[in-house]
Amino acid sequence: NAGVTQTPKFRVLKTGQSMTLLCAQDMNHEYMYWYRQDPGMGLRLIHYSVGEGTTAKGEVPDGYNVSRLKKQNFLLGLESAAPSQTSVYFCASSYSRLAGKSDTQYFGPGTRLTVL
Amino acid sequence: DQQVKQNSPSLSVQEGRISILNCDYTNSMFDYFLWYKKYPAEGPTFLISISSIKDKNEDGRFTVFLNKSAKHLSLHIVPSQPGDSAVYFCAASEVSWRGGTSYGKLTFGQGTILTVHP
Repeated sequence: NAGVTQTPKFRVLKTGQSMTLLCAQDMNHEYMYWYRQDPGMGLRLIHYSVGEGTTAKGEVPDGYNVSRLKKQNFLLGLESAAPSQTSVYFCASSYSRLAGKSDTQYFGPGTRLTVL
Repeated sequence: DQQVKQNSPSLSVQEGRISILNCDYTNSMFDYFLWYKKYPAEGPTFLISISSIKDKNEDGRFTVFLNKSAKHLSLHIVPSQPGDSAVYFCAASEVSWRGGTSYGKLTFGQGTILTVHP
């Protein structure tokens, strides 16, 4: 039981390049999330998904796109990277509150992205 | 506006003593509160949580207290150990509805760096 895994762990991009971050979970969670963490700012929600084939915007969605083609995977894409997107990205997953479960989110180890 | 605040960026404690980490919130719609612990180069790890219908929850050395009237949350670690040295985030949850679906939206504080000295 690996929990939440993320690939890659590190990446350096040049401004304007694109990339996709992959998140996978094996806990059969309905909900998945992408956050970014910047110094002194806690974690901010980028996009989230409440089920396969559905996605929605979070607090800071600009410059990112997501897709959830399979329940266990959640992809975060940067179409044209900018230096402001230099950050640590965390994926998380949770059960559905409507299913009587708690809101506890379980996090992956993170991807450190640098955009030059 | 920051709905969840951890006003102490850092806390230093001697091994064996109590560590008290504090968190304040402003949104009265929050109904579930969590503490996460984060080591460098790792993701946040869930530590302990409390529902808004309770005022205390214990799990081993960790106790979370909730004072709803003051909109204040605290995490007590006793006794503190050097392995507890990490960044601690408090988070608060509310049901958020978007496009006909709902989820438990988490709002995080900025984090407090705890250092436990041997």
